[in-house]
Amino acid sequence: LAKTTQPISMDSYEGQEVNITCSHNNIATNDYITWYQQFPSQGPRFIIQGYKTKVTNEVASLFIPADRKSSTLSLPRVSLSDTAVYYCLAYSGGYQKVTFGTGTKLQVIP
Amino acid sequence: KAGVTQTPRYLIKTRGQQVTLSCSPISGHRSVSWYQQTPGQGLQFLFEYFSETQRNKGNFPGRFSGRQFSNSRSEMNVSTLELGDSALYLCASSLGIGGTTGDNLYEQYFGPGTRLTVT
Repeated sequence: LAKTTQPISMDSYEGQEVNITCSHNNIATNDYITWYQQFPSQGPRFIIQGYKTKVTNEVASLFIPADRKSSTLSLPRVSLSDTAVYYCLAYSGGYQKVTFGTGTKLQVIP
Repeated sequence: KAGVTQTPRYLIKTRGQQVTLSCSPISGHRSVSWYQQTPGQGLQFLFEYFSETQRNKGNFPGRFSGRQFSNSRSEMNVSTLELGDSALYLCASSLGIGGTTGDNLYEQYFGPGTRLTVT
């Protein structure tokens, strides 16, 4: 099971693009990279998932280099409501345990 | 479709008691996972059930147990409660197996959690 490392916290001003990088040096061939967002007293919410290169959806983009040892979640033009903890996971589901790291606490400043 | 539901939402128990928490997954989801979240330890995996069988287990003592019913609903039980068991207990459901093309295969849908306070 790949261990992930993320910055503990980040600050950003409203309207800016935020990039949160996650390191997963021992990622396995079958692992997918998945990001979740969590607000206080709520369960985590799925944001985006990818295997390699770039994935984009309506809320974020995920960049994964060819070696897959890291990934970057990009949030375009953040707003105050994006203040939350963001978790990066690398796992292949099925018979694997899903482990959340400590996450990155993003604080968006007006 | 309806999301993951957990009951009760809040619970206060005293040390030594036991507690049972319930989780109803999204219709069609066969995998249910349980997590404990505390400020100090973050989100920790407890166990996962798939088709009524425990498929994975985290590093928690035997006081923590669970089960899954034929309708995929799951319960989690904690016996002989300790103060350190105070936490937000989250349940997540997923397909548990490969989905159709375009599905996010390993996406978990979390419930709102049960806030357990042990006094």
